[in-house]
Amino acid sequence: QQQVKQSPQSLIVQKGGISIINCAYENTAFDYFPWYQQFPGKGPALLIAIRPDVSEKKEGRFTISFNKSAKQFSLHIMDSQPGDSATYFCAASIEGFQKLVFGTGTRLLVSP
Amino acid sequence: GAVVSQHPSRVICKSGTSVKIECRSLDFQATTMFWYRQFPKQSLMLMATSNEGSKATYEQGVEKDKFLINHASLTLSTLTVTSAHPEDSSFYICSASSGLAGYEQYFGPGTRLTVT
Repeated sequence: QQQVKQSPQSLIVQKGGISIINCAYENTAFDYFPWYQQFPGKGPALLIAIRPDVSEKKEGRFTISFNKSAKQFSLHIMDSQPGDSATYFCAASIEGFQKLVFGTGTRLLVSP
Repeated sequence: GAVVSQHPSRVICKSGTSVKIECRSLDFQATTMFWYRQFPKQSLMLMATSNEGSKATYEQGVEKDKFLINHASLTLSTLTVTSAHPEDSSFYICSASSGLAGYEQYFGPGTRLTVT
């Protein structure tokens, strides 16, 4: 119940295209859903996060879509650029506990 | 803002020795710090959670006596890998939370440990 399932495992997108990464969870107590970007040999960096009271959040080229009834959320990267090539992790946590449960990661490659 | 540093960035040690990794929050007070371990091409695995001035809470399967965590101040936590073995070689990442901005955790750049 504590798992967060992430797909796809890897993704190749052409420059200018849309990258879509999906995550699903079981625990309905989760109420914070962040996405992290990680470059090789570096720590993860927070990209964008959403709480279940909204269905969508947009920051620049990054959008989170959240479907509470389906217990799914996704990251959309618009106008993908080669510099977006990295590993992306979704995560979830419960208020007050702060402990993050991470997805398995998606390696994104944006071809020039 | 919200910068977390780790030192060292890379360390090589001999089997049987101990190594200490420092995690510092540079521009905020971290009431809670987390230590993760990441194997190549895998996700982050939470090892332990530490609150300033309290004993760390370890995840199931993590050896408390092997991975010693100290959170002595609001800006510093240390992870000591005792009697290191080659299987302890990994990427260790800390994160810190002030507890003020909700749930946001700020991650350090990681420490690559190689045990020979």
